[in-house]
Amino acid sequence: QSALTQPPSASGSPGQSVTISCTGTSSDVGGYNYVSWYQQHPGKAPKLMIYDVTKRPSGVPDRFSGSKSGNTASLTVSGLQADDEADYYCGSYAGSNNMFFGGGTKLTVL
Amino acid sequence: QVQLQESGPGLVKPSETLSLSCAVSGYSISSDFYWGWIRQPPGKGLEWVGSIYHSGSSYYSPSLKSRVTISLDTSKNHFSLRLTSVTAADTAVYYCARGLSGSFFDYWGQGALVTVSS
Repeated sequence: QSALTQPPSASGSPGQSVTISCTGTSSDVGGYNYVSWYQQHPGKAPKLMIYDVTKRPSGVPDRFSGSKSGNTASLTVSGLQADDEADYYCGSYAGSNNMFFGGGTKLTVL
Repeated sequence: QVQLQESGPGLVKPSETLSLSCAVSGYSISSDFYWGWIRQPPGKGLEWVGSIYHSGSSYYSPSLKSRVTISLDTSKNHFSLRLTSVTAADTAVYYCARGLSGSFFDYWGQGALVTVSS
């Protein structure tokens, strides 16, 4: 098994929406509803934004939403703001108490 | 508020053992949850290293399993990581974090950079 596949970059203008994909296999993303998303600003620890595919932790704006279709999960950020510019990582349970992260996507707010 | 703080040597020689500790405050690690380690090589993505359940059962990344040990010290409310036979490829920022259902992490430490070099 290897890391989940994410596009290296994504971008959008303030106020727009952007979607980041995370592709795995039927053994991880497609096999369980345990996909999570993390936001990481430079030099900082990752922050949990989405868990269990669609759920938002307390304090995370509803501009962030998650979904899944087959072996691909997605994170959508709507109403882009300057502070949304960061690296985003997906994670997925992969059975047998294993988990994997994606390679990360750098989101640029134009 | 749950807080985690990593500590340990910032420099380890090749072939030696990397040891890090994670002090947890605001929650008893023996009560519930998973407690995990995630690393990030400079300029690269996140890699799950392993996790330990509050009961003491541990789970490791298949790629690191032969070299990793994670343990709990409930008397000090901290948990530890040992990685043996390190090489330059193990140079990374190591994060400790609290895990739920073994599939995601909600609280993270600030991270500790460990460099493997002679």
